[in-house]
Amino acid sequence: NAGVTQTPKFRVLKTGQSMTLLCAQDMNHEYMYWYRQDPGMGLRLIHYSVGEGTTAKGEVPDGYNVSRLKKQNFLLGLESAAPSQTSVYFCASDNGREENFGEGSWLTVV
Amino acid sequence: GQQVMQIPQYQHVQEGEDFTTYCNSSTTLSNIQWYKQRPGGHPVFLIQLVKSGEVKKQKRLTFQFGEAKKNSSLHITATQTTDVGTYFCAGQRYGGATNKLIFGTGTLLAVQP
Repeated sequence: NAGVTQTPKFRVLKTGQSMTLLCAQDMNHEYMYWYRQDPGMGLRLIHYSVGEGTTAKGEVPDGYNVSRLKKQNFLLGLESAAPSQTSVYFCASDNGREENFGEGSWLTVV
Repeated sequence: GQQVMQIPQYQHVQEGEDFTTYCNSSTTLSNIQWYKQRPGGHPVFLIQLVKSGEVKKQKRLTFQFGEAKKNSSLHITATQTTDVGTYFCAGQRYGGATNKLIFGTGTLLAVQP
């Protein structure tokens, strides 16, 4: 039982490049979330999903897209990376009570 | 929109001293959760409070949920170096259609041996 797994853990992108972060959970959770964490800003919700095939915008969705084609996977895409998207990204899944977080993906856009 | 604020942003204590972080919401919450994030790590769930005025204890940690369900606190008695990290509160909106949480800004605790 791996819980929530994020890949990749570290990535450096050039401005304008695209990439996808993958989140996988093996707990059969319905709810999944993508957050970004910046110094002094706490955790801010980017997008979330309440079930397979559904997605919704969070607090800071601009510049990101998501897909939930399979219940266990939640993908976060950056179509054209910008330096402002340099951050630590956390995926989480929900059992109806507490959120279970992945270990994070450190993204730097230069 | 709904906001959850935490104070202080940073606290430095000597080992053995007590520590408290406070969480305040602009709206009534259905429940509040607390998470701990070690430096370089990911947030880990500590506890959930649901009832008005609820108090829960985990060893040296005491969690309270306000009577109006708009504020909460975490108190650590006799801090240890293992308590180092950022403590986040996270509130769930009352009557919300989903489980999504609004996270506070966090309090970073530094403990000097």
